[in-house]
Amino acid sequence: EIVLTQSPGTLSLSPGERATLSCRASPSLASSYLAWFQQKPGQAPRLLIHGASSRAAGIPDRFSGSGSGTDFTLTISRLEPEDFAVYYCQQYGSSPWTFGQGTKVEIK
Amino acid sequence: QVQLQESGPGLVKPSETLSLTCSVSGGSISPYYWTWIRQPPGKGLEWIGYIYYSGSTNYNPSLKSRVTISVDTSKKQLSLRLTSVTAADTAVYYCARSWRGMDVWGHGTSVTVSS
Repeated sequence: EIVLTQSPGTLSLSPGERATLSCRASPSLASSYLAWFQQKPGQAPRLLIHGASSRAAGIPDRFSGSGSGTDFTLTISRLEPEDFAVYYCQQYGSSPWTFGQGTKVEIK
Repeated sequence: QVQLQESGPGLVKPSETLSLTCSVSGGSISPYYWTWIRQPPGKGLEWIGYIYYSGSTNYNPSLKSRVTISVDTSKKQLSLRLTSVTAADTAVYYCARSWRGMDVWGHGTSVTVSS
């Protein structure tokens, strides 16, 4: 089973700042089947990034994904008020599919 | 636009079987994978398993002995069956379409296991 470890657990930032979220895979992903989701309280997760770096339909270009192997990153270039939420990474290249534990982006 | 709607009992007794349905509207069952995910209160996401539109399945080993996912293409419905439930199975259960990632999700249905 591939374990995904996200860091930091909580990120305290102000609107307009840049957010950098990390997701580390162990063992490494043989493929780029890594996704990022945003979840707000009481809502279902929303797909932001698939294939490690491809934005899902309708996702603003301030969201970007990068990485391969063991290290993946989600970057939000300039935080908007609606971006404060919990973010999860998830791998779907190896069974069982697994999720990271989440990073909460909160308003500083 | 594809929409998913989960339904089922909100309360299940310990040792009984949890049964949920996910109805697909506005789109086709094929050629996608259809996934069930759950989220215990205040916790993270757990993949339960998926079914391909053709009927092949893949389950999380941690639940494999208790879970069955099926699809009725004529009704455009997915089903989740989880046997011998305990309090640890209390969660919000989501269905999702998987194509390039899990791109469409239902709103989720909350299930509590309690006597």
